[in-house]
Amino acid sequence: GAVVSQHPSRVICKSGTSVKIECRSLDFQATTMFWYRQFPKKSLMLMATSNEGSKATYEQGVEKDKFLINHASLTLSTLTVTSAHPEDSSFYICSARGVQGEGQPQHFGDGTRLSIL
Amino acid sequence: QKEVEQDPGPLSVPEGAIVSLNCTYSNSAFQYFMWYRQYSRKGPELLMYTYSSGNKEDGRFTAQVDKSSKYISLFIRDSQPSDSATYLCAMSARYGGATNKLIFGTGTLLAVQP
Repeated sequence: GAVVSQHPSRVICKSGTSVKIECRSLDFQATTMFWYRQFPKKSLMLMATSNEGSKATYEQGVEKDKFLINHASLTLSTLTVTSAHPEDSSFYICSARGVQGEGQPQHFGDGTRLSIL
Repeated sequence: QKEVEQDPGPLSVPEGAIVSLNCTYSNSAFQYFMWYRQYSRKGPELLMYTYSSGNKEDGRFTAQVDKSSKYISLFIRDSQPSDSATYLCAMSARYGGATNKLIFGTGTLLAVQP
């Protein structure tokens, strides 16, 4: 159980393009989803916390207009990288926490490798 | 001082060895402790989750939490080449009735040699 699906797994696109990444909890409902960024050989860096039906909470230094997050249902959150540039190239990973709430562990998707040319 | 310290390794062991991975932390408010395994170019996979001091066993894996010493460990028995991955410890606190975000260690890269 506790499967999180992330799509697409790999994106290569030109500078200036907007890219949408989907994160779905397949076999459980998630009130809270999280978006992370990971640089090579580094740990995960939290970008934002997304709660179903409300605005996302962004970490300090993360541009909310650059990284648009929508959490429209208990099983789907999306991250849109707007007008992407080469410095946005990275490994983006989502996670989801079940509706049981407090103390539940996060379950991660398999990540999206974004390359901006 | 970082909130969570983890030896980055790399750690190389022969197949069948017992592996010990460790993290220390400074925030006594941490109540939930997790170990994740991450293969290259994949997302982290939850291995163990606990919220109390003591040991928790699942197959070849044992998670140990010592809240008095602010120290957690993951033991892998009879290690296999397929265990070769980066292991991340993670923990979270509970403030005002809400679970706070996960704080990760930097990860330990493990290589199990056949």
